Amino acid sequence: DTEVTQTPKHLVMGMTNKKSLKCEQHMGHRAMYWYKQKAKKPPELMFVYSYEKLSINESVPSRFSPECPNSSLLNLHLHALQPEDSALYLCASSQENRDFETQYFGPGTRLLVL
Amino acid sequence: GENVGLHLPTLSVQEGDNSIINCAYSNSASDYFIWYKQESGKGPQFIIDIRSNMDKRQGQRVTVLLNKTVKHLSLQIAATQPGDSAVYFCAEWQVNAGNNRKLIWGLGTSLAVNP
Repeated sequence: DTEVTQTPKHLVMGMTNKKSLKCEQHMGHRAMYWYKQKAKKPPELMFVYSYEKLSINESVPSRFSPECPNSSLLNLHLHALQPEDSALYLCASSQENRDFETQYFGPGTRLLVL
Repeated sequence: GENVGLHLPTLSVQEGDNSIINCAYSNSASDYFIWYKQESGKGPQFIIDIRSNMDKRQGQRVTVLLNKTVKHLSLQIAATQPGDSAVYFCAEWQVNAGNNRKLIWGLGTSLAVNP
């Protein structure tokens, strides 16, 4: 099973709202990733967790707050977002964030900030 | 001036023809490359990978070629089908100063298959 699941599929939020995106994998992977993708662009890395510890933060604004409660779950907490944050948010996982690994992606959450 | 609204390169082929999608990568030290396919409304899907100690790798209807001399990667799709219509991204693994790894993505190519 190479499935990464994400909820919700779609999300509309106002600039003062607080919401969370959820990601889950049951492949036993110990590395998990958040990406942001704008239309017609490649995914942009936001965060990497390795063994439930944050290992990469690509200078993401603090209005995005990641959390890794356990090795299967990854959350992205959203607060006071801007309209330009509207995008597809992708979660991915891989074995350990080491050499020669494939990242497996979920279907994404399409976020619209009004 | 500033580049805005860059077009996604598009390749249009007839059903049954072979497709070749090209990618230039940046770091001569990169040792692992992956091709992903992204259909509309979906996340990227792994197609095939290749390590830098290889020049060619074949999968089912797909072949990846790696030319390290000119830092060029290509994906060949044989007998292209309408279901192959998607955006194709190449990606290379890079290691940062903290020994953490991340994927560096190409801009993508949109493949349109005409029936």
